[in-house]
Amino acid sequence: AQTVTQSQPEMSVQEAETVTLSCTYDTSENNYYLFWYKQPPSRQMILVIRQEAYKQQNATENRFSVNFQKAAKSFSLKISDSQLGDTAMYFCAFMAYDNAGKSTFGDGTTLTVKP
Amino acid sequence: EAQVTQNPRYLITVTGKKLTVTCSQNMNHEYMSWYRQDPGLGLRQIYYSMNVEVTDKGDVPEGYKVSRKEKRNFPLILESPSPNQTSLYFCASSCGPGQGNCNYGYTFGSGTRLTVV
Repeated sequence: AQTVTQSQPEMSVQEAETVTLSCTYDTSENNYYLFWYKQPPSRQMILVIRQEAYKQQNATENRFSVNFQKAAKSFSLKISDSQLGDTAMYFCAFMAYDNAGKSTFGDGTTLTVKP
Repeated sequence: EAQVTQNPRYLITVTGKKLTVTCSQNMNHEYMSWYRQDPGLGLRQIYYSMNVEVTDKGDVPEGYKVSRKEKRNFPLILESPSPNQTSLYFCASSCGPGQGNCNYGYTFGSGTRLTVV
């Protein structure tokens, strides 16, 4: 069974600054995917970024980037130039390649961007 | 527009009255899934499906049923709802690694707020 841990229930950052959200996971799988989802107050779940475990290069999507450390089972999300619209709950998620469809989410980190 | 559509958005029902929450996707995705979201517990997977007529239990399947008779639809059935099933429910779909050029990862519907009294 997989576990996903987000150790920061709440965080805040000033507008235009950089913030990093932490995520650790535990698995015996070798091939898997990791994701960060954003849930704004509208409650819609939005896929922010995806990382395939076999790729060593860290994924980036505009202001969002990850630091994927496979050996340490760590998958942090960095948000650069934070904007007010980044205020949301962020979830880290795991999906194994060989048991596709099955997923495990962390408990979430509530991020507040302050003007 | 590519999307996952679930209905209704809000539902208030009484204990024991059977209900169905519908979910449909228009992206020809192989995988579909149901989650519930409760404060402080993140998203927990209820059931998921890898293709038509192929379903499997997630982490919290008790009290729920699903079916996948068509690729696009994946309804969630509560045969005898109880107050502890009051929650926010999400349906989601994803292409599968076997589907060419797949950007793997769930696309979510807008959610169904269910209250059981």
